[in-house]
Amino acid sequence: DAKTTQPNSMESNEEEPVHLPCNHSTISGTDYIHWYRQLPSQGPEYVIHGLTSNVNNRMASLAIAEDRKSSTLILHRATLRDAAVYYCILKWNYGGSQGNLIFGKGTKLSVKP
Amino acid sequence: NAGVTQTPKFQVLKTGQSMTLQCAQDMNHEYMSWYRQDPGMGLRLIHYSVGAGITDQGEVPNGYNVSRSTTEDFPLRLLSAAPSQTSVYFCASRLRGVDTYNEQFFGPGTRLTVL
Repeated sequence: DAKTTQPNSMESNEEEPVHLPCNHSTISGTDYIHWYRQLPSQGPEYVIHGLTSNVNNRMASLAIAEDRKSSTLILHRATLRDAAVYYCILKWNYGGSQGNLIFGKGTKLSVKP
Repeated sequence: NAGVTQTPKFQVLKTGQSMTLQCAQDMNHEYMSWYRQDPGMGLRLIHYSVGAGITDQGEVPNGYNVSRSTTEDFPLRLLSAAPSQTSVYFCASRLRGVDTYNEQFFGPGTRLTVL
């Protein structure tokens, strides 16, 4: 199974950009790269996903390396509300073509005022 | 839409007791699943369902039962609670899709303590 490697924790200052890295050197050609986050005492929520090209949405940007062996989630201006655990996920598994997400331990992002 | 709802929010059980964690979604999602999250860990898949009447096991199914009689509901039953089942339980759902990406929606969680 393709695995992801993320730093255990990162710190950021409020209103500064944050770059959250993820290594996935064994990614296969059909694996999406998903990012979810989990705010304290809440369930995970979707952030962004991509396959090959860089992606932007209202929450974040996803920069994908040309060889797809790594990616970076970019929060353009961190707020205190962005303090959460961020999960980089490759695998849908269990249940067919999309199935269910397989979570690792993620990166705990702290945001300082 | 209420999204994915879970009840109860908190529960304390004694070893050997049984109970059912409720999960419901109002988005007409085919896929539903149950995860557990232990302290400092990511989520692990317990059971999942790809539609009414169809369920299957995930990574850590032992000690849990599920059924899916309707699209909306996916209850998780603990048959005989053990302290090792102390955890936070999350229910999730998403549309079934093959050619389009469908994000997974999570409920707020049930915090279960087994004494």
